Amino acid sequence: DVKVTQSSRYLVKRTGEKVFLECVQDMDHENMFWYRQDPGLGLRLIYFSYDVKMKEKGDIPEGYSVSREKKERFSLILESASTNQTSMYLCASRKNTGELFFGEGSRLTVL
Amino acid sequence: GNSVTQMEGPVTLSEEAFLTINCTYTATGYPSLFWYVQYPGEGLQLLLKATKADDKGSNKGFEATYRKETTSFHLEKGSVQVSDSAVYFCALIPLSFQKLVFGTGTRLLVS
Repeated sequence: DVKVTQSSRYLVKRTGEKVFLECVQDMDHENMFWYRQDPGLGLRLIYFSYDVKMKEKGDIPEGYSVSREKKERFSLILESASTNQTSMYLCASRKNTGELFFGEGSRLTVL
Repeated sequence: GNSVTQMEGPVTLSEEAFLTINCTYTATGYPSLFWYVQYPGEGLQLLLKATKADDKGSNKGFEATYRKETTSFHLEKGSVQVSDSAVYFCALIPLSFQKLVFGTGTRLLVS
């Protein structure tokens, strides 16, 4: 089975802190994604990556950046966390037949 | 553009009741279609998929049939259990194989 592992299930940070959310997949998938999930807004795509060192903006990239130095690892970075970035963050990798495999999620609270 | 529309929830059912969650889509060509399930506090899991017209996806007693003529992919289960309580997401990936497009999710409550 595909396994997508997110480094932290729960984080609490202060406004202005730099936040790293790490995601690792073990199936050699080329495509990886970061979403945020908020009540009433569904899943919104922040960034995605088609391959190592490649990244593309999703629908809501403002306030975020990403890093993909190795194929298995895709990191989401909040350079200066703000309270409106309090959310559930979901990482996914994509099989070549199209379906996504998700991690357990990282619930971030920014105070 | 591509879009997915799901019925609004919550859907509240008694145990052993019949379940239908409606999903319709708009897409160019013939996308692949998916249902994902999210249990409380977890990430999304692939429930079933269908890749062409008239395909039926099935898993864990859930079924959905790809209906090209009505652009629909309704999720059904003959007898729900309390453990089926979750949020269900319909999604598509277009032929261009870019981003998955998700519906807003439908919460199912079984008691």
